[in-house]
Amino acid sequence: AQSVTQLDSHVSVSEGTPVLLRCNYSSSYSPSLFWYVQHPNKGLQLLLKYTSAATLVKGINGFEAEFKKSETSFHLTKPSAHMSDAAEYFCVVSGRGNTGGFKTIFGAGTRLFVKA
Amino acid sequence: DAGVIQSPRHEVTEMGQEVTLRCKPISGHNSLFWYRQTMMRGLELLIYFNNNVPIDDSGMPEDRFSAKMPNASFSTLKIQPSEPRDSAVYFCASSFGDSGGNTGELFFGEGSRLTVL
Repeated sequence: AQSVTQLDSHVSVSEGTPVLLRCNYSSSYSPSLFWYVQHPNKGLQLLLKYTSAATLVKGINGFEAEFKKSETSFHLTKPSAHMSDAAEYFCVVSGRGNTGGFKTIFGAGTRLFVKA
Repeated sequence: DAGVIQSPRHEVTEMGQEVTLRCKPISGHNSLFWYRQTMMRGLELLIYFNNNVPIDDSGMPEDRFSAKMPNASFSTLKIQPSEPRDSAVYFCASSFGDSGGNTGELFFGEGSRLTVL
């Protein structure tokens, strides 16, 4: 069975400091992994995706994530937070389950606060 | 490109009334998804269509909910009768996917915020 766990429900950083949003996944087969961002009163927007190519994936707005199979992790990072990064972030795993069909599972989300 | 378009953006109604939410997916996408988002339950997949055919409706809460996709450019989610516990933000998303559940990148609309009094 597939699952995804976002280890922090809330993360607070100061502007200009690094951001780390943690995500662990479980999947029987090689999954695709995504990070989406949701700003207040908006829909979700794709930040980046991993689909079995390079393990370090670069996304929009300076975000990147590293796929670590041995740790079953796909943590999202950014070197320097900006006020506009304040939003909710969702880690998503998509892959073939035990029954053969694909499933897309959303994490519970991590709300990022950025202090001036 | 206009993106996924949802209407209405906000709906306030009274318990027992019928609610219809509408979605226009991105032109050329062949998969359409309806999600519900609440504070308590997060983001839940209600139903998804591939090539206008419902593939997985296991997330539809009960018979009060129904969804249709009469053509590739339009879908509706209907709640009849509505109840206060249906209050949520309903998102429509579209993608290039397949009938086996491989969704690819999802493109979301801005959502329809439903309040049932």
